[in-house]
Amino acid sequence: QKEVEQDPGPLSVPEGAIVSLNCTYSNSAFQYFMWYRQYSRKGPELLMYTYSSGNKEDGRFTAQVDKSSKYISLFIRDSQPSDSATYLCANGGATNKLIFGTGTLLAVQP
Amino acid sequence: DTGVSQDPRHKITKRGQNVTFRCDPISEHNRLYWYRQTLGQGPEFLTYFQNEAQLEKSRLLSDRFSAERPKGSFSTLEIQRTEQGDSAMYLCASSFPRGGGSEQFFGPGTRLTVL
Repeated sequence: QKEVEQDPGPLSVPEGAIVSLNCTYSNSAFQYFMWYRQYSRKGPELLMYTYSSGNKEDGRFTAQVDKSSKYISLFIRDSQPSDSATYLCANGGATNKLIFGTGTLLAVQP
Repeated sequence: DTGVSQDPRHKITKRGQNVTFRCDPISEHNRLYWYRQTLGQGPEFLTYFQNEAQLEKSRLLSDRFSAERPKGSFSTLEIQRTEQGDSAMYLCASSFPRGGGSEQFFGPGTRLTVL
């Protein structure tokens, strides 16, 4: 079992849709959770960072963590074609070494 | 631009050659990380530094790989006797720890192709 599991997609949605991206993790010792966006052939860009259960909102993005079920989600409201990218979830512990999922490829169709 | 920078952005080399990559972190960040990413996969941790001290190395980091951060600022990653399996994107990230954890900010990566 991988430490962080993520559906690779691809996920295709129409412009304006609400997108839901999900990951599960196995190591309870890793208490920090992040979502990155990565455009093709670019470095990952940090979108959301959280360390507690519950929701964290930033503009059109909401990160949700459920530590009891080891489940993390990213919701994108009013999706735009410019949101088309690979979304990576990651979690980390005290050493800050991040464990990443494989990434979900998202395509937002205009 | 005050983000993480990496040089070169692309490197093509022949099998058996040595290559060296450089990473300049965000100036006030004292932690620096190296990751490797292959097509269709998420980044995989290689090693990290706090200031000039290398504090953790992954088992992925074979003895052909060496990383340094001599003055606690920029870092270099050298791969000796490159193999085709070393072809990947090499990513550098930096952070400034706060509390028990912190955000890591990534550079644009160095794409290595070994022929």
